[in-house]
Amino acid sequence: SQQGEEDPQALSIQEGENATMNCSYKTSINNLQWYRQNSGRGLVHLILIRSNEREKHSGRLRVTLDTSKKSSSLLITASRAADTASYFCATGPAGGTSYGKLTFGQGTILTVHP
Amino acid sequence: GAVVSQHPSRVICKSGTSVKIECRSLDFQATTMFWYRQFPKQSLMLMATSNEGSKATYEQGVEKDKFLINHASLTLSTLTVTSAHPEDSSFYICRPGQGSEAFFGQGTRLTVV
Repeated sequence: SQQGEEDPQALSIQEGENATMNCSYKTSINNLQWYRQNSGRGLVHLILIRSNEREKHSGRLRVTLDTSKKSSSLLITASRAADTASYFCATGPAGGTSYGKLTFGQGTILTVHP
Repeated sequence: GAVVSQHPSRVICKSGTSVKIECRSLDFQATTMFWYRQFPKQSLMLMATSNEGSKATYEQGVEKDKFLINHASLTLSTLTVTSAHPEDSSFYICRPGQGSEAFFGQGTRLTVV
């Protein structure tokens, strides 16, 4: 069964704006990861945040994790048309590793208009 | 270059036939392989976990006799969709349980006609 929900399901913005996507999950986790998927293609790993971390940055990406609320957010700053894709959060269960079984959220479809 | 090689990338088959999807780890040994399925406009769902030298573990609702998994070596895991039907049309993707969080196969787009 799906671990969590992603919000919004679809997001449409203009180039240069920031995009924020949220992910909620249900059970205790070891880690949470964000992936990007271009239409009909494979997954690109964006960032991993562990359960004892609260925030991580990577380039234009900022991820937060609130384990008390079982939620995470992905912020993409200064978006580009090339950021258009589906974004998924995925959680690894408590007691597991970052290489282990992942449970994916429903995904957010991001469209960035030039 | 890719460290996880999944083939084929696309396959179209007739209803009732079987299709084999291969997932190879190129520079490392994968004792575990996760197989996911993604229907159009949906998320990835874990189908099964294969372990080298032992039987695969299937998620609830996944028919083990229909989706045959073989993990006979530390560098190769295969998923065979037997007696495929149009409802099996989907995107299948593998992920090794070792190496890196970033490692995923490129995926296989299966279309059953």
